Parts: sequence; C-alpha cells; structure tokens
Amino acid sequence: QSALTQPPSVSGSPGQSVTISCTGTSSDVGSYDRVSWYQQPPGTAPKLMIYDVSYRPSGVPDRFSGSKSGNTASLTISGLQTEDESDYYCSSITSSGTYVFGTGTKVTVL
Amino acid sequence: QVQLVQSGAEVKKPGASVKVSCKASGFTFTSYHIHWVRQAPGQGPEWMTIMMAGGGSTKYARKFQGRVTLTRDTSTSTAYMELSSLTSEDTAVYYCAAERPNDHYMDVWGKGTTVTVSS
Repeated sequence: QSALTQPPSVSGSPGQSVTISCTGTSSDVGSYDRVSWYQQPPGTAPKLMIYDVSYRPSGVPDRFSGSKSGNTASLTISGLQTEDESDYYCSSITSSGTYVFGTGTKVTVL
Repeated sequence: QVQLVQSGAEVKKPGASVKVSCKASGFTFTSYHIHWVRQAPGQGPEWMTIMMAGGGSTKYARKFQGRVTLTRDTSTSTAYMELSSLTSEDTAVYYCAAERPNDHYMDVWGKGTTVTVSS
C-alpha cells in the first residue's frame, strides 16, 4: 500500500487560507468517506483534526475544514494563525481493511 | 481522563525483538480497536497493525505480516506489540492509538515509544 500523496510544504501569512491536498486511489480515498487529518507538532503524537472527510472533533477550531473530490481529499485552514504551524497528515482506510497515511505537509506561517 | 500510556524507550541490536506496551485508562479497553503506528526519523506515520475490540482479531500491513505479534492483557487494560528480526530500518517512534469501532479514525494516542536499533 503506497502512502497517500501530499505536497511537502505550504505557507501563508497570518489570516490567509491554505489548502493541503491528499491524493490516493480508488482503493482508499476514492472509495470511502473515511479520510481523517492529523496535526503533529515536532516531537509530539499526532492529534486528530478532521474525521470522515469534513467533521471536526470537539475542540478543533472551525477554521479547519475538509472536503473530498474523487481520489483527492483536502484540508483547508482559513484565517491562518501562528499556532497552526505544524506538520499535517491525512489518512484513509483501504479496501483491504488496513489504513494508510499521507506523506505529510509542513505548514509554515510567514 | 482517556489516555494511553506507553512503555519507555528501547535500544536493541539487529536481529533482536522488541515488545512495546500500551496501557489504557479512562475507557473500556476491550471496547476499542487499538492501532499501532510507527514513525521513522523525518518520515510520516506508517500504519502497522490493529487489534480489534471484543474478540481481539488482528489485521496487519503486508510489510509487517509474520514479524509483528499483538497481544493484550484485559485484566490490566494493556496492549502489547512485539516486532521481531529488527534491523536499523525499524528505528522509529512507535505509537498506539485507540479507535471506537467503525469510526475509522484514531482519536486517542499514546505519547510514543522510541525504539533504536543499533549494533
């Protein structure tokens, strides 16, 4: 199972919006609305930010949103804040019942 | 408080095995799936395996089949992941993470256990 493809980095100024893509295949992202997104500051465990493509767990700011089209899911951070600077990873269940993570994107706040 | 507490860092020689523990508290251990995810230095997370809630059936990523053994002790709410035939490529932080059945996402994570494989 190959990792889902994400851009290595995106950046934006405070207040701007950034979008991270996550491209898989018809055996994972394309077949299930089970894409989740995780935020991982350096040296810490991943933290769930989005589940089931577009749902936010309690406590996650509403500036984080998710969507999906075909084999590509996206995470958008609107109104970028300095504390959003982190690594972000997508994940999806696969047709074999296993899971796959994305290659990761570093978000930099300029 | 819902949490997963993992065992401490390990240093192993090539060819050895390592067993990492993950103790659950604040929730009914056997009602959750427990995932194991590893992250090599500078790399993204890599999903390894899952032990299902209830009966404890397992599923593995193809690359780890035959080399990973999952067990659990329900009396202490502790899950174990043992990885054998270690090589330097197994040097990573190993995380356990919990999933409510059928959620298909991991919303409770341990802090990770660093495993270093070096001769």
